[in-house]
Amino acid sequence: EDQVTQSPEALRLQEGESSSLNCSYTVSGLRGLFWYRQDPGKGPEFLFTLYSAGEEKEKERLKATLTKKESFLHITAPKPEDSATYLCAVQRGVGNEKLTFGTGTRLTIIP
Amino acid sequence: GAVVSQHPSWVICKSGTSVKIECRSLDFQATTMFWYRQFPKQSLMLMATSNEGSKATYEQGVEKDKFLINHASLTLSTLTVTSAHPEDSSFYICSAEGVPGLVETQYFGPGTRLLVL
Repeated sequence: EDQVTQSPEALRLQEGESSSLNCSYTVSGLRGLFWYRQDPGKGPEFLFTLYSAGEEKEKERLKATLTKKESFLHITAPKPEDSATYLCAVQRGVGNEKLTFGTGTRLTIIP
Repeated sequence: GAVVSQHPSWVICKSGTSVKIECRSLDFQATTMFWYRQFPKQSLMLMATSNEGSKATYEQGVEKDKFLINHASLTLSTLTVTSAHPEDSSFYICSAEGVPGLVETQYFGPGTRLLVL
């Protein structure tokens, strides 16, 4: 059974204080690992897809990396608007399969 | 990125009535659509997977006769909550995925909040 574990469950940072969110996973036949951002009362917003170990992707203050067992979402010099729940998910197979989600990290950036 | 819409964004109904939620992919053809529900401060729980023109596949514990899913076209899927009860109150979210290689991932709708009185 595919499993995704995210840590920490919640993280409070001062504005400008960089940190990382962790996503550990086990999956048979990984197609991709996905990061989403979810604001309260809204659907998840797509951030990144990572397909193979060693791959990295960046978007503004966010950088996602992937190893064979885990992924990190690095946030550099965060701003209050980066406050959200960050979800990690894995997908097996060749596509159009269900995503297995972690429980998320609730990130709060304090001005 | 690709856009998925949901309608309505929120609905209040009386116990025993049926409610239909629409999910549309606006700028790509969704070969597969997924329906999730989410309780406060919890992660997404997959309810069912539907492929265009086929019967939906339901996750264990999800009543298929209560949550009717139709995926009649490549841009529209509907979820009907039949004979809704207060315990069905939740946040329902759909996602859509297109042809692998053409669409990068599953894109999510904005969600529908259902309150059953």
